[in-house]
Amino acid sequence: QVQLQQSGPGLVRPSQTLSLTCAISGDSVSSSLAAWNWIRQSPSRGLEWLGRTYYRSTWYNDYAVSVRSRITINSDTSKNQFSLQLNSVTPDDTALYYCARDHAGLDSWGQGTLVTVSS
Amino acid sequence: DIQMTESPSSLSAVVGDRVTITCQASQDISNHLNWYQQKPGKAPKLLIYGASNLETGVSSRFSGAGSGSDFTFTISNLRPEDIATYYCQQYHNVPYTFGQGTKLEIE
Repeated sequence: QVQLQQSGPGLVRPSQTLSLTCAISGDSVSSSLAAWNWIRQSPSRGLEWLGRTYYRSTWYNDYAVSVRSRITINSDTSKNQFSLQLNSVTPDDTALYYCARDHAGLDSWGQGTLVTVSS
Repeated sequence: DIQMTESPSSLSAVVGDRVTITCQASQDISNHLNWYQQKPGKAPKLLIYGASNLETGVSSRFSGAGSGSDFTFTISNLRPEDIATYYCQQYHNVPYTFGQGTKLEIE
């Protein structure tokens, strides 16, 4: 059974960097059958896919256009985890952030991290 | 980006009812559509993948159909524990996009 455990701060100051990590158990971040995603949810935006990383002989990333200039998703094979960095945050980035595995659907999700952007 | 439009946005039904939610994509997405259930305070849960395939362990009271741009999601024999918000999601192209959700209430 795949489990995703999120970690990271719940409060980020405006203009700073939001950083979250998703630790994987029961699967491998370098699996050729999965992709590893970050999604956020807010009342104003609903469920918004932010990006993904996946390994198919080499590493690939895809990002949403809305955050492409500010986002980085990395993988760490030694720790079997992946991470989200979102730079230059504003209050509009306040949301519940989820990591999720894509394997015939987004079939495993982290517990969610409420991130508030406020001074 | 592909826009996903769900209807209705909210729905009230009686225990035992059959309820249907529709999802329309702004372009042809073949069968690249998933359905999720989200209960308050919880992450979304995958119910249906590939438009009509039931995720392992999910009740057979849930079903999905459709292809192209028009899809339906049906709950038969509605039960109180089905109170939740339901979302469709396309994976035909990135960015993945979700419908705005259908909030299901029990009368």
